[in-house]
Amino acid sequence: QVQLVQSGAEVKKPGASVKVSCKASGYTFTSYYMHWVRQAPGQGLEWMGIINPSGGSTSYAQKFQGRVTMTRDTSTSTVYMELSSLRSEDTAVYYCARDPYYYDSSGYGNPLYYFDYWGQGTLVTVSS
Amino acid sequence: QSVLTQPPSASGTPGQRVTISCSGSSSNIGSNTVNWYQQLPGTAPKLLIYSNNQRPSGVPDRFSGSKSGTSASLAISGLQSEDEADYYCAAWDDSLNGPGFGGGTKLTVL
Repeated sequence: QVQLVQSGAEVKKPGASVKVSCKASGYTFTSYYMHWVRQAPGQGLEWMGIINPSGGSTSYAQKFQGRVTMTRDTSTSTVYMELSSLRSEDTAVYYCARDPYYYDSSGYGNPLYYFDYWGQGTLVTVSS
Repeated sequence: QSVLTQPPSASGTPGQRVTISCSGSSSNIGSNTVNWYQQLPGTAPKLLIYSNNQRPSGVPDRFSGSKSGTSASLAISGLQSEDEADYYCAAWDDSLNGPGFGGGTKLTVL
């Protein structure tokens, strides 16, 4: 069965960086795009960006351009999201979420931009 | 500020039918499909409806989605206590160049 298991909670000071991991299992890691979505306390959902685990290409929401970096390690089926220059407004639960579009070696195609499986979430607290 | 507009709350009694609305614009719902997510307290969101009205396997047929113009709605029939959750609509937004979400609707089963 598909599972996305994320790293544990983090507490960071303003200005620092945080790197959250998401380990995938139960499917072919390099055949599905992965997204990152965050949720501030008591607030709604916010899309941060997407990574192609096969080639490593990324696309980020404009709001996070220059502060977010998404990477992957195909040897461990893990994607990472690093957010830098943290401020208090970045306090949130960060989720990885799989895109249901399947692609193989014949070509990548376009992701569907919705999310069929989610990680359990990682709480990142930014506080001095 | 969310790109899609949902009522903050909705309620119903067991067995009732409730609907949750989601209003957008020509840059999102008007030209793209709508997806819905259910978030039970303290858990990650779960895909409930995709492509306006499609249910993933395992989602009961009590849940249905529809879209008309720049608005969409989620209907839940035969309301059950376990349906008490937050519900989010989402759609690609041409201005955001990414998926945008509604602010969420908290459903209470009375």
